[in-house]
Amino acid sequence: SQQGEEDPQALSIQEGENATMNCSYKTSINNLQWYRQNSGRGLVHLILIRSNEREKHSGRLRVTLDTSKKSSSLLITASRAADTASYFCATVNNSGAGSYQLTFGKGTKLSVIP
Amino acid sequence: DGGITQSPKYLFRKEGQNVTLSCEQNLNHDAMYWYRQDPGQGLRLIYYSQIVNDFQKGDIAEGYSVSREKKESFPLTVTSAQKNPTAFYLCASSTYIKETQYFGPGTRLLVL
Repeated sequence: SQQGEEDPQALSIQEGENATMNCSYKTSINNLQWYRQNSGRGLVHLILIRSNEREKHSGRLRVTLDTSKKSSSLLITASRAADTASYFCATVNNSGAGSYQLTFGKGTKLSVIP
Repeated sequence: DGGITQSPKYLFRKEGQNVTLSCEQNLNHDAMYWYRQDPGQGLRLIYYSQIVNDFQKGDIAEGYSVSREKKESFPLTVTSAQKNPTAFYLCASSTYIKETQYFGPGTRLLVL
């Protein structure tokens, strides 16, 4: 089952612009994680935000979490061509069946044009 | 260097054949995972293991088998019962369940 749903499915921007990707989920979560995947490669962890946190920063990345709306957003500021990749959100359920596993969305494909 | 490795990078399977994908980590992580990724899709969990000699089925375990005899190793066998095995397979590990996962580079399995 895929809990996280990213929006948009694809995003194309010019280098230097900001990129915002959104993730919605359905059930109560323990934490939410964002990963990046370059074409044909493994995933790289970006940020983990816990259910009691509202915002986290890491370099040019800013993640917000709104548990009342069951949504999260990933903002990449001052984008670079090297940011071109697919971005996935993944949720860990808070309890019950499946509380052990990370459930991934289908991803947002970001293209940054030089 | 600490990390997680997968081999081979590409694997070809003939009809009715079992094939095994290797996953090794030297991060001293307790938990390990296998995912399947189809084109344009997210990852789906096949099996996971929280500790040596223990593993649990994920969402799509049918046609796959695993073992966890050593902390560092979590091989995945794609059996002949898996009728649509063509996919990109990713192995991951984490200190324990629910935390950040570290991924290997993946193995692409193709059917001849």
